[in-house]
Amino acid sequence: AQSVTQLDSQVPVFEEAPVELRCNYSSSVSVYLFWYVQYPNQGLQLLLKYLSGSTLVKGINGFEAEFNKSQTSFHLRKPSVHISDTAEYFCAVSESGNTDKLIFGTGTRLQVFP
Amino acid sequence: KAGVTQTPRYLIKTRGQQVTLSCSPISGHRSVSWYQQTPGQGLQFLFEYFSETQRNKGNFPGRFSGRQFSNSRSEMNVSTLELGDSALYLCASSREFTMNTEAFFGQGTRLTVV
Repeated sequence: AQSVTQLDSQVPVFEEAPVELRCNYSSSVSVYLFWYVQYPNQGLQLLLKYLSGSTLVKGINGFEAEFNKSQTSFHLRKPSVHISDTAEYFCAVSESGNTDKLIFGTGTRLQVFP
Repeated sequence: KAGVTQTPRYLIKTRGQQVTLSCSPISGHRSVSWYQQTPGQGLQFLFEYFSETQRNKGNFPGRFSGRQFSNSRSEMNVSTLELGDSALYLCASSREFTMNTEAFFGQGTRLTVV
């Protein structure tokens, strides 16, 4: 069965510092990988996704993630965060043959301080 | 272009009652998925509908049901409400039954069971 692990429940960081949010997954088949962001009282917004091809994926708002198959990881990075990046971030996986069912991690709360 | 619309945004119900939540997908989208978000369990997949057919179902009791209409609008119903059903219910729509198309999420319906 698929699962997604986000080890860090909270990540505090100062504005303009770099940040990495970690995501590891387990699956016995090929997967698609996603990062979503959720602002307070809002739904989820897609930041980026990996379907195939280049393992470095660039998304919106300056975020990028790298798919590492050998380490079954899909960590999210941003070189310089802003106050407005404060939100909950969710990593999700979908099996290639079961495409519309997303399995989410428990989320990482990114708190950016001035 | 209008986004995914979920109604109502907030709902308070009493234990034992039933509730119906509505989701209007983006125009042209035929796939609608439902997720439950709670602090304890995170985001969990409920079910997915495509062209009025349930294609995928999560691990929830039979009290949770859904349907999709010919205009792609979807409803989910929870009968005999329990306190543990208090959650944010999110709906997502996508154009096709494939992850090559992005899933867009609504703002959710916040259900409180008292």
